Amino acid sequence: SAVISQKPSRDICQRGTSLTIQCQVDSQVTMMFWYRQQPGQSLTLIATANQGSEATYESGFVIDKFPISRPNLTFSTLTVSNMSPEDSSIYLCSVLAGADTQYFGPGTRLTVL
Amino acid sequence: AQSVTQLDSQVPVFEEAPVELRCNYSSSVSVYLFWYVQYPNQGLQLLLKYLSGSTLVKGINGFEAEFNKSQTSFHLRKPSVHISDTAEYFCAVSEAQKLVFGQGTRLTINP
Repeated sequence: SAVISQKPSRDICQRGTSLTIQCQVDSQVTMMFWYRQQPGQSLTLIATANQGSEATYESGFVIDKFPISRPNLTFSTLTVSNMSPEDSSIYLCSVLAGADTQYFGPGTRLTVL
Repeated sequence: AQSVTQLDSQVPVFEEAPVELRCNYSSSVSVYLFWYVQYPNQGLQLLLKYLSGSTLVKGINGFEAEFNKSQTSFHLRKPSVHISDTAEYFCAVSEAQKLVFGQGTRLTINP
């Protein structure tokens, strides 16, 4: 398994601003993922972040809105840009351990006013 | 694309009663299947997974699940639940190392 931390754990932001969420893992991993969980909903994959390459975004998500960095094998950031109340969600990062299993961080609870 | 259907959005049970949370998936190829649990105000924790081999897999906290290829199901069971099992449970299928989640089942344990 892997131990994953996220910062901040929660935040309240004003519309039009941006928030950068950090994800740190205790071991080197090739693949990291970012998910969104809207209130009362399931998880939706935003993008896959591999070290040394551009993130791969899922349908409905774009780099201008959700820029991602992956500077090394233990760290990634997700920025939620130009926020609106519809961006209020829990944002979770996960890592692929071994070939087949994802482990999740505790999530960042974002409220946009 | 693969999809996952969790047939029950909410399941209320009494403490110490057995419970089954249902999950069906759509796939024409070999799959990896997972159950995750999300306790209130927390992230997701892996309960168990099926990759290959025995169709009955055991996980943490006394949970188990049975992979049924002919019925494309991966139902989660526990013979006796506890108040602390109150949580949201998500079934997921792996597709090219990405996870596709079901809508979740909220398990509520009544004393």
